[in-house]
Amino acid sequence: GEQVEQLPSILRVQEGSSASINCSYEDSASNYFPWYKQEPGENPKLIIDIRSNMERKQIQELIVLLDKKAKRFSLHITDTQPGDSAMYFCAAPNSGGSNYKLTFGKGTLLTVTP
Amino acid sequence: GGIITQTPKFLIGQEGQKLTLKCQQNFNHDTMYWYRQDSGKGLRLIYYSITENDLQKGDLSEGYDASREKKSSFSLTVTSAQKNEMAVFLCASSRPGTGGYEQYFGPGTRLTVL
Repeated sequence: GEQVEQLPSILRVQEGSSASINCSYEDSASNYFPWYKQEPGENPKLIIDIRSNMERKQIQELIVLLDKKAKRFSLHITDTQPGDSAMYFCAAPNSGGSNYKLTFGKGTLLTVTP
Repeated sequence: GGIITQTPKFLIGQEGQKLTLKCQQNFNHDTMYWYRQDSGKGLRLIYYSITENDLQKGDLSEGYDASREKKSSFSLTVTSAQKNEMAVFLCASSRPGTGGYEQYFGPGTRLTVL
């Protein structure tokens, strides 16, 4: 099945600066890459995703980049705010025999300090 | 819109006990999932069900059973709780037509085994 590596596991940035989280995957056939945000005590929520026919997608302060050749994708949060503090997970399809599974990275705990 | 409900929210069990967690969704989604979330290990798939009456094992199915009673509900059973086990169990469902990619999560059941 697919393996997804996510780095860093802990990220601390100052309010107003940018935060970047990087993920890599193994299966070159993977074609969908979502990002989830999980606030303390809450469920993970889908915040942005990108499909393999795109290299860049932006929703407000969230930018996702996809490099299919390198099998890497990344989330960039511009102009971070304290409300961006949360756990972030990337994921990629687990293509081992099924289209219905996602493999998640181990998460990045982002803290935005005032 | 819709909602995913998980019961109970908190579950305290004894070592060796059989414990059942329930999940209901009113999205009318076909596919449902059970994940286990441990600190530092991301989300790991236990069981999923592509459609009513279907059951598929995930990467972490040993020690668990699942049951898709009807389209809207998916139950997970911990067959024998392990002492000092602490984890969050997340139920999810995926939007039709996305092949399981766009997954929406419930609020979770927090398990503690004494």
